[in-house]
Parts: sequence; structure tokens; C-alpha cells
Amino acid sequence: DSGVTQTPKHLITATGQRVTLRCSPRSGDLSVYWYQQSLDQGLQFLIQYYNGEERAKGNILERFSAQQFPDLHSELNLSSLELGDSALYFCASSEVGSFNTEAFFGQGTRLTVV
Amino acid sequence: AQKITQTQPGMFVQEKEAVTLDCTYDTSDQSYGLFWYKQPSSGEMIFLIYQGSYDEQNATEGRYSLNFQKARKSTNLVISASQLGDSAMYFCAMREVSGYSTLTFGKGTMLLVSP
Repeated sequence: DSGVTQTPKHLITATGQRVTLRCSPRSGDLSVYWYQQSLDQGLQFLIQYYNGEERAKGNILERFSAQQFPDLHSELNLSSLELGDSALYFCASSEVGSFNTEAFFGQGTRLTVV
Repeated sequence: AQKITQTQPGMFVQEKEAVTLDCTYDTSDQSYGLFWYKQPSSGEMIFLIYQGSYDEQNATEGRYSLNFQKARKSTNLVISASQLGDSAMYFCAMREVSGYSTLTFGKGTMLLVSP
């Protein structure tokens, strides 16, 4: 158990809908990262938060947004969903956002858009 | 250019044998970290081992060790005495100071361990 909790584990929704994925980082971790894993694109970095502030953005679509709350949990909002958004979405956390600390991953949320 | 390159889409190994999974990286940073993760069929990402750019010794963690060649920008994962449970996807990743230390992943290598 990595200590990172993601809910829900599975989500099936229709095109055009909006969903929210939730992540609770490991106790004490200030940095949260979101990744999307699909068969064709591999593991893509979406966005990083550090202690409530957005720190880095990757290949995140404008239809997607995220935030980190004062209690350090984070939410990833996906709207106007398309079939191509079907993927495994991971949240990861690390103590600080430095190059020499490992990041621990949650079990992922498998999103299926039908 | 790709930051992390894993050239082996798939590898086969027999139980109890050793296997090496290749990874090369590209960075102009002096400070960076290299990581390996395992993803079994169940989907979770499991951290295995870390090598820092300033580390002079190759990292080891149980049956996992790294062959870190800084000048060649490679960090190959060696799994000794393979077990059936080692069958999984293996990802090499890097965190750079200049990249806000986000993890950049390679495309992965699928390892299959046969009895």
C-alpha cells in the first residue's frame, strides 16, 4: 500500500459528461501529481500541485482542471468527455517536489467513456 | 527528443535467471534523479529503485540493482533471480531540477518470466 488513495477505482460515463477524480496524498506529502495512462500515449504528466499552488503543467487539455485543497487532497475535473479520454488516471504524491525524492502512486482511476 | 528511451518493448526470461532492462535518458541538468517503477497487470505503479545523478555507487534494493553509466546517460535495471511475480511492465523515469521535478516516463518494457 503506497499510502496514496484514489477514488473511485472505476468510472463509466457517457460522452459529454463531467467527472471528478479524487486523490488523498500520503500523510505529510505536499506535492501531488496527476498522470494519464493510455495505450497509445503511455504515461503523460498532466499537472502538479505543491502545497495548494499549481507548480507545473504538462499535456493537460483545457477541458480538464485540477486543484489542491488546504487539507492537501486534490481533485481532477474532466469535462465534455470524449471517447479518447478513456484511460487510467493516476495521482502520485511526494514529500517535496525535488528531483531526488520518489513519488508514490495511487491505484489509479480507470475511466471509461462510452 | 525523447527524454527517456526504453528500446525493449518486451523481454522474456526464465525463472531464477537474471535480466537487464535498458533505459537511456537525455538531460542537460546536472541534478536529476532516475527511478524505476513496476506496473503489474493489476495496474498499480510500484516504486522499485532510485539513482541520483551525484551518486557514485550503483543503487541496489534487494534483487534490483542499477547499472548507472552517467557518461553514456544510461541506467539499466538488473533483476536477479527472476520470479514469476516479476512479470509486469517496467518503467524508467526521470526527475530534473529544470522540469520542476515532475516525473517523465519512458514507454516501458513488458517483462514475462516463464517457469
